Amino acid sequence: AQKITQTQPGMFVQEKEAVTLDCTYDTSDPSYGLFWYKQPSSGEMIFLIYQGSYDQQNATEGRYSLNFQKARKSANLVISASQLGDSAMYFCAMREGGRDDKIIFGKGTRLHILP
Amino acid sequence: DAGITQSPRHKVTETGTPVTLRCHQTENHRYMYWYRQDPGHGLRLIHYSYGVKDTDKGEVSDGYSVSRSKTEDFLLTLESATSSQTSVYFCAISEGTYQETQYFGPGTRLLVL
Repeated sequence: AQKITQTQPGMFVQEKEAVTLDCTYDTSDPSYGLFWYKQPSSGEMIFLIYQGSYDQQNATEGRYSLNFQKARKSANLVISASQLGDSAMYFCAMREGGRDDKIIFGKGTRLHILP
Repeated sequence: DAGITQSPRHKVTETGTPVTLRCHQTENHRYMYWYRQDPGHGLRLIHYSYGVKDTDKGEVSDGYSVSRSKTEDFLLTLESATSSQTSVYFCAISEGTYQETQYFGPGTRLLVL
């Protein structure tokens, strides 16, 4: 069974609108971490945001926030006021229980920002 | 920028030849990782290291070996390259109290003919 599911293979959004990229995860471990990465067309992987399973508050980093709904096992990335430079592939990932060999990536969502 | 470089950045090789990819970091990170990225699969962990001479297997380790004789260098070796190992290879390090942040190198594009 897939541990990380990103159901939106592609999205088109108008510039300046907010964007929500979906991510659901599956784990029975009470301790885990959730990550989001951005991969522009140039190919590099850029770390965006991290949420620990015990964190009380939703993580935020500038225009990025992580909508963490633990009961629903959901960790959606929200980008406020989208920009053309946000066009990229976005990956959700999970690390279970502090075990470094259990870092699992979703298959990604390609985001296109329209002018 | 976590000071991670990968070499070579691009390589074309033939089936059956050995290939070694190098990951170099300058900030004394303990944990280092090798991933491969393929269309439709996202990133998959090949091997990782939690210290000098301490390595372990990831999800897709068959056909790959690693070595870490110095903190700063993590080598990935394809003993006998196959066409199925054509991929983009990323090295990563993790940092933070709980290793909660991973930073990636620029990637190596490998083509096995």
